[in-house]
Amino acid sequence: QQQVKQSPQSLIVQKGGISIINCAYENTAFDYFPWYQQFPGKGPALLIAIRPDVSEKKEGRFTISFNKSAKQFSLHIMDSQPGDSATYFCAARRAAGNKLTFGGGTRVLVKP
Amino acid sequence: DGGITQSPKYLFRKEGQNVTLSCEQNLNHDAMYWYRQDPGQGLRLIYYSQIVNDFQKGDIAEGYSVSREKKESFPLTVTSAQKNPTAFYLCASSTRTGEQYFGPGTRLTVT
Repeated sequence: QQQVKQSPQSLIVQKGGISIINCAYENTAFDYFPWYQQFPGKGPALLIAIRPDVSEKKEGRFTISFNKSAKQFSLHIMDSQPGDSATYFCAARRAAGNKLTFGGGTRVLVKP
Repeated sequence: DGGITQSPKYLFRKEGQNVTLSCEQNLNHDAMYWYRQDPGQGLRLIYYSQIVNDFQKGDIAEGYSVSREKKESFPLTVTSAQKNPTAFYLCASSTRTGEQYFGPGTRLTVT
């Protein structure tokens, strides 16, 4: 049973545009929600993360929006650049066990 | 230079042979993890360890084994019982508050 559902599977955006990726979860025991960026042939890199007591977190061009009541969170990439072309994974952590459950990933292509 | 190292980057084996993938971290993290990633797919948890000398099965542990004799090291053995071992293997370690960091990965090809 997939506990974190990520959409869309792929996304094409023009340079300078906004990329938006959404994730939904079911388990209310999750207490930490990170996003990872992965380039082909590389390990995922922790991009930005949020905890449920905060509704939004911004780091540079990357923003997480978190809606606790809807059990949804999203990643916004502002002013998207060709170098942002990568696969993005959302995840959620249960404190018990300290394990991450990952979404299925979104492949983002930023066209110049 | 702190981080997670995995070796080798590429590994080739014949079917029926066991192979061990190395993972070392100098981040002083208690928790370590092994994931498998198939082309165009997400990450699936194989094994994880919260502390030295203890580890638990993840979602796809069949055909794999691990050990955790030192805090810094968490090797993964892909045994001949793993029916489809060709994949990209990722090791990670985590702080107690959940920040998980990944190594560069090992691409295993079994023919």
